[in-house]
Amino acid sequence: GQGVEQPDNLMSVEGTFARVNCTYSTSGFNGLSWYQQREGHAPVFLSYVVLDGLKDSGHFSTFLSRSNGYSYLLLTELQIKDSASYLCAVRMPNYNVLYFGSGTKLTVEP
Amino acid sequence: DPKIIQKPKYLVAVTGSEKILICEQYLGHNAMYWYRQSAKKPLEFMFSYSYQKLMDNQTASSRFQPQSSKKNHLDLQITALKPDDSATYFCASSQRTGGSQDTQYFGPGTRLLVL
Repeated sequence: GQGVEQPDNLMSVEGTFARVNCTYSTSGFNGLSWYQQREGHAPVFLSYVVLDGLKDSGHFSTFLSRSNGYSYLLLTELQIKDSASYLCAVRMPNYNVLYFGSGTKLTVEP
Repeated sequence: DPKIIQKPKYLVAVTGSEKILICEQYLGHNAMYWYRQSAKKPLEFMFSYSYQKLMDNQTASSRFQPQSSKKNHLDLQITALKPDDSATYFCASSQRTGGSQDTQYFGPGTRLLVL
């Protein structure tokens, strides 16, 4: 099967940062996407990375290491409203299929 | 205005019955998808369509049948419903299926409960 792994939970403090990790082992790879999902709502696209290194997009930054099968989403200057689940998804070469991790539930405390 | 519409938002069905989940997208996209999200499980890919043609199917059961009457419609018919089918079903769309930048955007989902 396709393995995309994320820790279940992560807690951090308002005004600081949080790093959401994702490791993957898949039969193919055509990039990795990050989504935010709030309880009872649809996943919302945040970022897509296909090249190694850090992609800085302000509040959300993403890092990818293809050789290690590893990515992370970095949220800086955390706000309470950043509390949500963050999903990583490996995009497969065949027909744009996404394989999702189970998501990391981020709780931002005051 | 919502760009991807899914109907109904909530659906309760009895075991053995048949239901159709509706999805329409107004993003001008050529590719559409169905995913399923069960409690405590990852979002699971089911079907991929491009220009109304099935491109990939990773649903083991033939009880799940996508139907595309128009390019911007991809409905999901589920027959002989079982309690294990209870989940939220998300429709998604992207410009294409073959490009490296083809982001998938998700609809609000239909939450199905089978009793």
